[in-house]
Amino acid sequence: AQTVTQSQPEMSVQEAETVTLSCTYDTSESDYYLFWYKQPPSRQMILVIRQEAYKQQNATENRFSVNFQKAAKSFSLKISDSQLGDAAMYFCASQNNFGNEKLTFGTGTRLTIIP
Amino acid sequence: KAGVTQTPRYLIKTRGQQVTLSCSPISGHRSVSWYQQTPGQGLQFLFEYFSETQRNKGNFPGRFSGRQFSNSRSEMNVSTLELGDSALYLCASRLNVGEETQYFGPGTRLLVL
Repeated sequence: AQTVTQSQPEMSVQEAETVTLSCTYDTSESDYYLFWYKQPPSRQMILVIRQEAYKQQNATENRFSVNFQKAAKSFSLKISDSQLGDAAMYFCASQNNFGNEKLTFGTGTRLTIIP
Repeated sequence: KAGVTQTPRYLIKTRGQQVTLSCSPISGHRSVSWYQQTPGQGLQFLFEYFSETQRNKGNFPGRFSGRQFSNSRSEMNVSTLELGDSALYLCASRLNVGEETQYFGPGTRLLVL
């Protein structure tokens, strides 16, 4: 079974600064994906970034980047130049590549942006 | 391309009733998954449908069921509603099995009184 742990229930950052959200996971699979989803007050779950476990290179999407440490089973999200629109709940999730490809989510981190 | 749509967006029911929620995936997407989100249990996988067949199922009682139609639209049904079924129900679609990324709809917020 997969488990995903987010140890920071809440984080805050000054607008334009950088913040890092932590995530650790556990899986017995060798082939899997990792995701960060954002859920603003509208409750729509929005994909932020994804990482294939077999790729050593960290994924980057504009101001969002990850630090993927496979041996440590760590998958943190870095948000650079934080904007007011980044305020949301952020969920880390894992998904097997084969078989039961359900998303397993962490408990989320609520990110507040301070103007 | 239109995103995943879910209807209705809000629903109020009473205990013992049943409810049907609908999900229309992104055009061309053939896999639909359902998730329940509650403050206590977080986000939990309910089931996945592909080609009108249930492909995977989460750990939920038999009161929770679903189906998928030939146009990939999916419905989930909850019978004999309990107070604990109050939740946000999220539907997600992906192009095909083997495609890793699931795209979510806006959810249906169900309140059971």
